[in-house]
Amino acid sequence: KAGVTQTPRYLIKTRGQQVTLSCSPISGHRSVSWYQQTPGQGLQFLFEYFSETQRNKGNFPGRFSGRQFSNSRSEMNVSTLELGDSALYLCASSSEYTEAFFGQGTRLTVV
Amino acid sequence: DQQVKQNSPSLSVQEGRISILNCDYTNSMFDYFLWYKKYPAEGPTFLISISSIKDKNEDGRFTVFLNKSAKHLSLHIVPSQPGDSAVYFCAASANVWDDMRFGAGTRLTVKP
Repeated sequence: KAGVTQTPRYLIKTRGQQVTLSCSPISGHRSVSWYQQTPGQGLQFLFEYFSETQRNKGNFPGRFSGRQFSNSRSEMNVSTLELGDSALYLCASSSEYTEAFFGQGTRLTVV
Repeated sequence: DQQVKQNSPSLSVQEGRISILNCDYTNSMFDYFLWYKKYPAEGPTFLISISSIKDKNEDGRFTVFLNKSAKHLSLHIVPSQPGDSAVYFCAASANVWDDMRFGAGTRLTVKP
């Protein structure tokens, strides 16, 4: 069974640009959550999508947005990038019966 | 607002000894707790969980203890092995379907 796939693995962007990250969940998983990992801050919850609807949202500014498609694949978008957005972005998928499984993450560097 | 806290950013233990990783939380609504392990360049992987109806859960060398009155949980690894060296994240949620809140992680180093 394929795991959670995140693309791209690495990304370098300049301040002010926007970026879109992609996450393909495990087949059959309808819930996709996004997390930001920065040194010292651990994993901070961004938002969760379930059946194409945003079900929960963390405390991040509106520059961070996401969506989920009918095949459960999800994208996360960050607009007007700031240096502080440099982080590892992790996606996790789950079903009603399992714990969350994480992808390898996308490392975003904003210069 | 850090609802889940791991106050030790790092821990170093000798191989064969016990590793104890601690986690505190502030939200009394949390009823489900998990530990994840993360190696460099990999996503976190689920290790062990506990719900509030229990105060202890064992899985091989890993045991998680929960003290609800103190809002504290700990992960014990006995005996510790060099392959256990990783960052360990504590996570909590109101129930198994709710979103998790993570601590900042503790980097465990097990020395041979």
